[in-house]
Amino acid sequence: AQKITQTQPGMFVQEKEAVTLDCTYDTSDPSYGLFWYKQPSSGEMIFLIYQGSYDQQNATEGRYSLNFQKARKSANLVISASQLGDSAMYFCAMREGGSYKLIFGSGTRLLVRP
Amino acid sequence: NAGVMQNPRHLVRRRGQEARLRCSPMKGHSHVYWYRQLPEEGLKFMVYLQKENIIDESGMPKERFSAEFPKEGPSILRIQQVVRGDSAAYFCASSLQGTSSSPSDTQYFGPGTRLTVL
Repeated sequence: AQKITQTQPGMFVQEKEAVTLDCTYDTSDPSYGLFWYKQPSSGEMIFLIYQGSYDQQNATEGRYSLNFQKARKSANLVISASQLGDSAMYFCAMREGGSYKLIFGSGTRLLVRP
Repeated sequence: NAGVMQNPRHLVRRRGQEARLRCSPMKGHSHVYWYRQLPEEGLKFMVYLQKENIIDESGMPKERFSAEFPKEGPSILRIQQVVRGDSAAYFCASSLQGTSSSPSDTQYFGPGTRLTVL
């Protein structure tokens, strides 16, 4: 069965430092996509980054990169040079190839300290 | 280049009343999804619609909840006879390709409607 696990309910990071948010997943489908979304205190869900199961390279989008370790079934989000505006909930989600449902983890609340 | 629009942003209803949540997808998107988020939890899939068709409503409660996406106008999520347990944030997302797509078909979310049932 599909499952997404985020084991860090909350994390702190100092401004300008890098931080890694963990995500592990479980699926038997060889074709799948992994997504990260940011939910600031205002409540909207903002798409950050996508990684496909067949992608050879780790995805990067500006200060966001995805540390994709397929054998370990992990897709950790790395945020470099943290900013105060990065304080938010972060959700990892997965979608199998033949499906349209996004399965979400329980989220990690990140707090960036000045 | 407007994103997904949802209204109202906040909705307060008394028990037994009806709630209507509206969603307009991104321009060019014809696939709409509704998700529900309970406090301190991730989003849970409710229903997937294309224009005039419900493709999958497996995540919808069997009673009181319905959804539509008419040929013209926004998608509507309707909750009849609301109860306190319906209090949640309801998110709409849209995508370009839908069911036949690769996993890379990204769903873009609206700002959500926060429903409070008194």
